Amino acid sequence: AQSVAQPEDQVNVAEGNPLTVKCTYSVSGNPYLFWYVQYPNRGLQFLLKYITGDNLVKGSYGFEAEFNKSQTSFHLKKPSALVSDSALYFCAGHSGAGSYQLTFGKGTKLSVIP
Amino acid sequence: EAQVTQNPRYLITVTGKKLTVTCSQNMNHEYMSWYRQDPGLGLRQIYYSMNVEVTDKGDVPEGYKVSRKEKRNFPLILESPSPNQTSLYFCASSLGQSNTGELFFGEGSRLTVL
Repeated sequence: AQSVAQPEDQVNVAEGNPLTVKCTYSVSGNPYLFWYVQYPNRGLQFLLKYITGDNLVKGSYGFEAEFNKSQTSFHLKKPSALVSDSALYFCAGHSGAGSYQLTFGKGTKLSVIP
Repeated sequence: EAQVTQNPRYLITVTGKKLTVTCSQNMNHEYMSWYRQDPGLGLRQIYYSMNVEVTDKGDVPEGYKVSRKEKRNFPLILESPSPNQTSLYFCASSLGQSNTGELFFGEGSRLTVL
């Protein structure tokens, strides 16, 4: 069975500092990995995805994520955090083309402190 | 505007009273899915549909039914709701098989079963 883990329930970072939200996965085959963001009282919004190719993928709002196959990780990063980045972040993954079951992590609450 | 629309957004009901949460998308997406979001558990998939008249169970299908008679609509039916189905529900859609991770989400439906 596939699984996605987000080891931190909450991450606090000062505005202007770099941020990292961690994700590890256990997905068979060549995984497709995703990050989503949820603002209060809203649905999830797609941020970025890794399917194949360059291990560093860039997404919306200045976010990027690094795929590391040996560590089975897909951490979300941003060089300089904004207060408006405060939200709930979800990592998700599935086992590739033809897979219909996307598995989500439990979410990490990011708080950017002014 | 491309969107996934869920109704109702908020509902309080009583145990055993059948209810339907509607979901409609205007993007001609083939794939649609229902998730429930619970604190500490993240998002869990209830049912998904690959196309009209094609549906399958997700991770937590017990107590739910779905149908996909039209491409744009994917209603979630609770035949006899119970308090453990109190949750925040999200409908999502994507283009098709190769994009089943890049989901567009509705705004959510908060259901309370007394």
